[in-house]
Parts: sequence; structure tokens; C-alpha cells
Amino acid sequence: AQRVTQPEKLLSVFKGAPVELKCNYSYSGSPELFWYVQYSRQRLQLLLRHISRESIKGFTADLNKGETSFHLKKPFAQEEDSAMYYCALSRKGGNKLVFGAGTILRVKS
Amino acid sequence: GAVVSQHPSRVICKSGTSVKIECRSLDFQATTMFWYRQFPKQSLMLMATSNEGSKATYEQGVEKDKFLINHASLTLSTLTVTSAHPEDSSFYICSARESGQGYQPQHFGDGTRLSIL
Repeated sequence: AQRVTQPEKLLSVFKGAPVELKCNYSYSGSPELFWYVQYSRQRLQLLLRHISRESIKGFTADLNKGETSFHLKKPFAQEEDSAMYYCALSRKGGNKLVFGAGTILRVKS
Repeated sequence: GAVVSQHPSRVICKSGTSVKIECRSLDFQATTMFWYRQFPKQSLMLMATSNEGSKATYEQGVEKDKFLINHASLTLSTLTVTSAHPEDSSFYICSARESGQGYQPQHFGDGTRLSIL
């Protein structure tokens, strides 16, 4: 069965501190992993996908197949990073997304 | 950028009413649209995948007669909650994937909050 686990409902950090949002997944085949972000009063939007290996707004995420993890990291948090973050997976080349429960990131000044 | 418009944003109606929610891709064509449901403090759960010109594919446990999906054009999909009851109250979100070669991300609407009295 496909499952995405985000163990933290809320992560609160100070501005300038490192951030790591945890995501673990369960999938029998070859998955594609994503991070989506929802800022206050905005719609859900794609932040990054593992296949593109890019850094968006200072965030990176590495797929660790051994640990079945796709943690989202940023070395120095900014207040504007405060949002709800969802980890999601799909079958490689597939349509359907399976979402985790989401983690609220609060960056305090 | 690609914009998905979802309407209405909020509906409050009596039990037994049928409610239609529209999902439109405003500046792109979407062969595939998706309907999700989100309960409070829980994740988005895919209900069905809507393909233009063909029948929707429903996820396990989703009643197709309860949640009617129509995707008659490349820019519009509708979800009709038939004879809605209080347990159907939820947040419904649609997304649309742009037609084309290669990877195309899903673009999400703002969601519709449905409250059945």
C-alpha cells in the first residue's frame, strides 16, 4: 500500500535556524516524491520534486531509498517560510498523488 | 502561471440537496482533473480522477453514484454531491494537469467548503 507519513503536525523554529520537515513513505515500486506548500490564504502549490534535484526558495530534499525518506531541509529559516507543507508521492510517471497529513511550519522572529 | 478556478468557495445547504462544484482551468487545457476531499486536520484524499470525454476513475470506497463527476471539456470538470447529508460536509479540492508531453504538475483550486445542515 502507498503511504506517506509526516510525523510532526507542527514545527516551530526561530528565524535563521535550520529547518527539517520529515517525510517517510511506504511504496512497493519506484515512487516519485514531491513537496507541496500552502501559504496562508493561498492555494496548494508544488514546491519541489525529487526528480528535478533543484533548490527552490532555499529548500532541498533528497530521496533516501534505504530509509524511505524525503525530508525537506533549509539551512536558515525565514519568516515567509511559515506555511503548511505536504509531502506526496506518486508512481513514477503516474497521475495520482498520495499526500501526507501535512506539517505546519512556524518561523518565529 | 496556470490557474485553476473552483466555484463556489463555500456552500451551506439542507440535507437532501444536491450540490454542484465546478473546477475550471483558466489559461490551459487539462485532459486530466482530480477531485480530493479533506477532513479537518487530515490530509487530502483522492476521490476520483476525471478524464475529458470519458468516465471518471473512482478510488476505492468512493461511491460513484453519490459523487457524480463530469468532464465534458478540456477546461471544466464538475463534481455533484447528490442528496447530500451531514456526513458529506467536508473541504473539496480540485486540481488540473495541463495536457502535453513530459512531466506536468497538478495545479490546485482554492477548494470548496461544503456544510450540510
